[in-house]
Amino acid sequence: SQTIHQWPATLVQPVGSPLSLECTVEGTSNPNLYWYRQAAGRGLQLLFYSVGIGQISSEVPQNLSASRPQDRQFILSSKKLLLSDSGFYLCAWTPATGSQETQYFGPGTRLLVL
Amino acid sequence: SQQGEEDPQALSIQEGENATMNCSYKTSINNLQWYRQNSGRGLVHLILIRSNEREKHSGRLRVTLDTSKKSSSLLITASRAADTASYFCATGMDSSYKLIFGSGTRLLVRP
Repeated sequence: SQTIHQWPATLVQPVGSPLSLECTVEGTSNPNLYWYRQAAGRGLQLLFYSVGIGQISSEVPQNLSASRPQDRQFILSSKKLLLSDSGFYLCAWTPATGSQETQYFGPGTRLLVL
Repeated sequence: SQQGEEDPQALSIQEGENATMNCSYKTSINNLQWYRQNSGRGLVHLILIRSNEREKHSGRLRVTLDTSKKSSSLLITASRAADTASYFCATGMDSSYKLIFGSGTRLLVRP
């Protein structure tokens, strides 16, 4: 069966510090991968998605970036965090074949920038 | 940008009652999905309805889709305290399999 992991679960970082959040998927090959951010009490905002290694599409221009160094690894990064980067970051995946509409979410990373 | 808007933003009902949540969207869609999120957790997929379908059932869930009105509703029958969560609609519009999420309905089911 497929599983998706995110770490860390919680992170407190000072303004101006770098960021690296990791997402990995097990039990499937060549998944589509997605990064979302959720502000408190709000819906999800799609940040990046990837359909393959090295292929990243950005949805919202900001100081975040994403990379996919391996087939089942998706990383969200920042060189200098802003206060507005605080939020709940969710990674999701869909299968490469078959029913690709349904997204499967990881447990999320709660980021607080102080 | 958010495509879907849920209504109401918050709903409080007694256990055993039915809960109805509505979602409106703005553009043509390929499918519409409903997800559930327990506090501080990831989202869990509940049900998907395609643009050529009008109604779908899954257990205690019933989803309707009216593409002429660009709206959908999620009905949870015989609610339980464990149904307490936030519920989001999400629209899929093209072959990229991206989803646009609404702002969610917070459901509280009182025991």
